[in-house]
Amino acid sequence: AQSVTQLDSQVPVFEEAPVELRCNYSSSVSVYLFWYVQYPNQGLQLLLKYLSGSTLVKGINGFEAEFNKSQTSFHLRKPSVHISDTAEYFCAVTPTHSGAGSYQLTFGKGTKLSVIP
Amino acid sequence: EAGVAQSPRYKIIEKRQSVAFWCNPISGHATLYWYQQILGQGPKLLIQFQNNGVVDDSQLPKDRFSAERLKGVDSTLKIQPAKLEDSAVYLCASSLDRGSGNEQFFGPGTRLTVL
Repeated sequence: AQSVTQLDSQVPVFEEAPVELRCNYSSSVSVYLFWYVQYPNQGLQLLLKYLSGSTLVKGINGFEAEFNKSQTSFHLRKPSVHISDTAEYFCAVTPTHSGAGSYQLTFGKGTKLSVIP
Repeated sequence: EAGVAQSPRYKIIEKRQSVAFWCNPISGHATLYWYQQILGQGPKLLIQFQNNGVVDDSQLPKDRFSAERLKGVDSTLKIQPAKLEDSAVYLCASSLDRGSGNEQFFGPGTRLTVL
């Protein structure tokens, strides 16, 4: 089984300031990692994912994340945030292999990012 | 390409009533998922279909929830009878196939309020 912990439930940040949203995971098997964004009254949209290769992953809207296997972390960063980045962000994992055929995503509880003008 | 469609967007019912949600995935996507997102939490998988077969329904409360994807395309999720704790957003997602590297595309969700 997998679990995901998002350490901050809310993060306020001023416009054009940098931001880091923290994510730690626990799993007994290898996992792939994802960050999703959810704007108000909308579904989830994939920001970026780590499957293999370089541990620094770049996504849409200027976001990037770094996979750290030893610390079981996958923190999301953006060097300069915009008002339009105000949303809820979810970290998720899925096993790389599943004998039962189910590759369900296990999500964290989310971090609400509020960008202050 | 058209995204995942869900209806209705909002539903308010009283406890013990029944309700149904509909999802139409992206054309050609073999895998369909239903998630429950309770306020303040991340989405939790209820059921996963591969074409018209169930892959995983281990977290579906089968005494009151049911789901079907008869022709391997659109899907319906039903709750009968509803309880107060079923108040949540129900998200439908689809992916090209069920491998873990396949991106899941989410619909806008149906917000259910049970009074």
